[in-house]
Amino acid sequence: GENVGLHLPTLSVQEGDNSIINCAYSNSASDYFIWYKQESGKGPQFIIDIRSNMDKRQGQRVTVLLNKTVKHLSLQIAATQPGDSAVYFCAEPSHPGGYNKLIFGAGTRLAVHP
Amino acid sequence: EPEVTQTPSHQVTQMGQEVILRCVPISNHLYFYWYRQILGQKVEFLVSFYNNEISEKSEIFDDQFSVERPDGSNFTLKIRSTKLEDSAMYFCASSGQTGRDTEAFFGQGTRLTVV
Repeated sequence: GENVGLHLPTLSVQEGDNSIINCAYSNSASDYFIWYKQESGKGPQFIIDIRSNMDKRQGQRVTVLLNKTVKHLSLQIAATQPGDSAVYFCAEPSHPGGYNKLIFGAGTRLAVHP
Repeated sequence: EPEVTQTPSHQVTQMGQEVILRCVPISNHLYFYWYRQILGQKVEFLVSFYNNEISEKSEIFDDQFSVERPDGSNFTLKIRSTKLEDSAMYFCASSGQTGRDTEAFFGQGTRLTVV
C-alpha cells in the first residue's frame, strides 16, 4: 500500500456546526476507502466506507466525498455534537485483491466546543 | 451487538519479559488481525491471520512476535522478549468475509507498558 495521509492534525468546531475532515492518498489504483473514529481509550470504530465507483456516500449525519482526479477524500459531519469529539482516520486496504491489511492515515483530532 | 474483546486492558511488564495479549474475535469471523498504536501516532498493521496461519505480516512483526489461535475462540499475540519500544496500544480486529470491502471490527485495545 502507498501513503494515506491527512491535511489537518486538529480541527476545532462549535457544537452544531458542520465539520469537514480531509484525507489525501497517493495510489491511483486505490478503489476502496474507510473512515474510522477513535475515541479516547478505545479502538477504531467503522464510520463509513466508499468504493471508487462512487463520488459520494451518505450515512447518518456523515457524508464521504471522493475525488479521484486529485486523489482526495473527505468526511463531512453535519451538526457536529460533543460526542463526535475523537480522532478520525482514513484507511484503505493495501492489496486490491484482498483485505489483509489496512493502511491508516495519520489522523485528525476533532474537538467540539459547546 | 457482537464485539471483539481484549484482555488485559493494561499490561505492565519489565523489559525482556514475555507477554501474551489475548483477544476473542467475533464468533463467526474468519480473518483476524493485530494492530498497534504508539502513543500519539497512527494505527499500524502487524499481522493478519486466516485459516490457522499468518496471511501477511509487517516489518514490525519480527521473530519476537507470534500469534496463535489455540482453541477456536481466542486469538493471542505473544511478544517473547519485550523492548521499551514495544510500549503501545495493541488492537485486535476481526472481519467476517473473504475478499475486500469487509468491515473490520476492532477491540478496545491492550495498553502495553514496558519498563
